[in-house]
Amino acid sequence: EDQVTQSPEALRLQEGESSSLNCSYTVSGLRGLFWYRQDPGKGPEFLFTLYSAGEEKEKERLKATLTKKESFLHITAPKPEDSATYLCAVQAPQSPISGGYNKLIFGAGTRLAVHP
Amino acid sequence: NAGVTQTPKFRVLKTGQSMTLLCAQDMNHEYMYWYRQDPGMGLRLIHYSVGEGTTAKGEVPDGYNVSRLKKQNFLLGLESAAPSQTSVYFCASSHSRRVTAKNIQYFGAGTRLSVL
Repeated sequence: EDQVTQSPEALRLQEGESSSLNCSYTVSGLRGLFWYRQDPGKGPEFLFTLYSAGEEKEKERLKATLTKKESFLHITAPKPEDSATYLCAVQAPQSPISGGYNKLIFGAGTRLAVHP
Repeated sequence: NAGVTQTPKFRVLKTGQSMTLLCAQDMNHEYMYWYRQDPGMGLRLIHYSVGEGTTAKGEVPDGYNVSRLKKQNFLLGLESAAPSQTSVYFCASSHSRRVTAKNIQYFGAGTRLSVL
């Protein structure tokens, strides 16, 4: 069964304290791994897509990496404005009868709090 | 550019009442989705559409109906609301797989629904 597990559930950091969030997955034929940021009371906001093991993407203080079993979201010298829930999702292959839509399987997320 | 707009933002229903949630997107996307988000769980797909006039069941479709009469709109209906349908509902849209936009899903801000 396709599954996505994120850890830790919650993470508290001091401003400037670097850390990593983990997303482990089991899926037959990964088509892509997506990272989203979700602020309280808002919808998920797209951050990165990774497609193959070894691929890396960066945006400001965030860097996403991908292996065959997991992805990491590295946060370097975080600031309070980086506080949010970070969601990981994997795209699984679809049968032709599904119309080819890109099914995403989401993890439960990691709640990150960065304190001054 | 509004992106994905959901209405209403909040709603309280009594058990047995019905309601319709509206999602509108202005990005000319082919695919649209309805998800629900519950504490401690990942986003779960309720129904989706791969184009105007089409709908299909997702992971948790029971108790919901959808319609896609116009390409830009996707409606989610609750025929007889139950307390188990208390949740946050998100609409999303994406290009079809024929477009090299990497199938990124863009989300609305959500509708918070309480069923008493």
